[in-house]
Amino acid sequence: EVQLLESGGGLVQPGGSLRLSCAASAFTFSNYVMNWVRQAPGKGLEWVSSISSSGDITFYADSVKGRFTISRDNSKNTLFLLMNSLRGEDTAVYYCAKGFCGGGSCHWYLFDYWGQGTLVTVSS
Amino acid sequence: DIQMTQSPSSLSASVGDRVTITCRASQSISRSLNWYQQKPGKAPKFLIYAASTLQSGLPSRFSGSGSGTDFTLTISSLQPEDFASYYCQQSYSTPPTFGQGTKVEIK
Repeated sequence: EVQLLESGGGLVQPGGSLRLSCAASAFTFSNYVMNWVRQAPGKGLEWVSSISSSGDITFYADSVKGRFTISRDNSKNTLFLLMNSLRGEDTAVYYCAKGFCGGGSCHWYLFDYWGQGTLVTVSS
Repeated sequence: DIQMTQSPSSLSASVGDRVTITCRASQSISRSLNWYQQKPGKAPKFLIYAASTLQSGLPSRFSGSGSGTDFTLTISSLQPEDFASYYCQQSYSTPPTFGQGTKVEIK
């Protein structure tokens, strides 16, 4: 069974930094697009960032562009999100999500397995 | 950005009821529409992609339809485990965007 295990969340002051990790198992990590999606407390889902299987193509939401960096280590089956210049509005549960391959192709922006999430709280 | 609008925001229904949730896109997204289910405190679960293709292993009481700007998720006979929030999401263009969610509650 596919497993995604996020870590690295916590309480950080505005302007601070955090690095989230997502350890993947039970699938060939290097074959799939990977993504971060967040959910503010009591709110809906918001896409944050996506990275290609090889790591050479990345996309970001405008709300995090220039502050967050997505990366991956295919040798360690791990996805990362480096978050700098954090703001109160970044407070959320951050989910790692695997990209979906089906119908003969792999898709950007389709999320078939999700981790349990890690909570990031930005507050002084 | 493409805006996704779901209706209703919440609904109350009984076990066995037929439930329909609507999702409207602010511009045409062809059939690039996906549905997720989320229970409180849990991660979302992938239900349907390409508007109407049910993810493998899921019960056939879930179905999706639509194209262009208007889409629906139907649960043909609501079961106790279906009480949850449901989100539509477009994968047609960057950034991918979600609807605000529909909470299905027990009547």
